Amino acid sequence: DAKTTQPPSMDCAEGRAANLPCNHSTISGNEYVYWYRQIHSQGPQYIIHGLKNNETNEMASLIITEDRKSSTLILPHATLRDTAVYYCIVRVRSYNTDKLIFGTGTRLQVFP
Amino acid sequence: DVKVTQSSRYLVKRTGEKVFLECVQDMDHENMFWYRQDPGLGLRLIYFSYDVKMKEKGDIPEGYSVSREKKERFSLILESASTNQTSMYLCASSSDRVGEKLFFGSGTQLSVL
Repeated sequence: DAKTTQPPSMDCAEGRAANLPCNHSTISGNEYVYWYRQIHSQGPQYIIHGLKNNETNEMASLIITEDRKSSTLILPHATLRDTAVYYCIVRVRSYNTDKLIFGTGTRLQVFP
Repeated sequence: DVKVTQSSRYLVKRTGEKVFLECVQDMDHENMFWYRQDPGLGLRLIYFSYDVKMKEKGDIPEGYSVSREKKERFSLILESASTNQTSMYLCASSSDRVGEKLFFGSGTQLSVL
């Protein structure tokens, strides 16, 4: 029951920007969007999160559309070490739950 | 460097055995989580804990239990392992209840034969 939709896989040339899209058309007004990534044989790693303004940190930038129905994670200069599965997550809230639900993510392959 | 440590990287057990998966974090986090990860299904939440001796069921708690006797340690218990519990198990901790910023261990690949 993930609330996000991501392409299953993408490729990117080393040194180029990797733009990973995510659709979250049912997002509520106060729900944040989170991005994690999982490198092979490791646990997922937090990247960034945002509500409605664009966000940037040392790892990536997050661009959220004005209607908040989609977002894009940008890795400005992809390296081979950025090859991973990237998860876009929206917080799920109901009367008895408040948590993050991971979907199946986008497998990003960075090639030389 | 912050760390979540899972006791075993690989584990092989037989059907019916009682299995303990241990997780320790050194960040003084209140909140700890157990997930399992299966191909095509993503990560699914099994149990979580907001405090010592406290536990809450996640989305798939059946066949599992947990123990949190100390703040830094959160154990996942398979009372009687079955083949459908073969999976990658991931422990995480967080300073916030929702787990917005989760720190994960490297995982335990459990095979139940």
